[in-house]
Amino acid sequence: SAVISQKPSRDICQRGTSLTIQCQVDSQVTMMFWYRQQPGQSLTLIATANQGSEATYESGFVIDKFPISRPNLTFSTLTVSNMSPEDSSIYLCSVVTVNRAGSHEQYFGPGTRLTVT
Amino acid sequence: RKEVEQDPGPFNVPEGATVAFNCTYSNSASQSFFWYRQDCRKEPKLLMSVYSSGNEDGRFTAQLNRASQYISLLIRDSKLSDSATYLCVVMPRDTGRRALTFGSGTRLQVQP
Repeated sequence: SAVISQKPSRDICQRGTSLTIQCQVDSQVTMMFWYRQQPGQSLTLIATANQGSEATYESGFVIDKFPISRPNLTFSTLTVSNMSPEDSSIYLCSVVTVNRAGSHEQYFGPGTRLTVT
Repeated sequence: RKEVEQDPGPFNVPEGATVAFNCTYSNSASQSFFWYRQDCRKEPKLLMSVYSSGNEDGRFTAQLNRASQYISLLIRDSKLSDSATYLCVVMPRDTGRRALTFGSGTRLQVQP
């Protein structure tokens, strides 16, 4: 497995501002993802963070709103831009590792709880 | 139709009971299947992978039926600590991305 940390763990922000969330992994991983979990909902994939190239966004998510950086194989950031109350959510970083049996397993960071007022 | 569907519950069971959850998925080309557990206000944690032959880990048994496109999780001898939301998760076989598709979760409450 991988140990994943996220900063900040929570924040309360005013609408119109931006917040950058950091994700740090204790080992090099090929695949990193950013998810969102809105209150009472399941997880929704925002984008795949690609090292050395632009992130791959899912339908409904765009780079201008959620710019992502991935400067190396252990670190990524997600920015939530020009925030509105609808962006209030938990944002989770996730990575894929390969277990001893050669199967892929996906692990999640502790999440960043964002409230936009 | 959702890609992964689960009964949201809640399932309220007494300690020691056996409880089963089912999940259906719509993409027949799905490659890998998992059950995750999510406690309140915490991140999802991998509970177990689901293999075609079925697999067991202690009190937990997972089964996959590809023909009917459903996955099940059986919990025997339920403990209070099993109370959580159980997420059925599917990994598609398409672009090489290994991003997961999550069901909305089934809530389990084990009562003393």
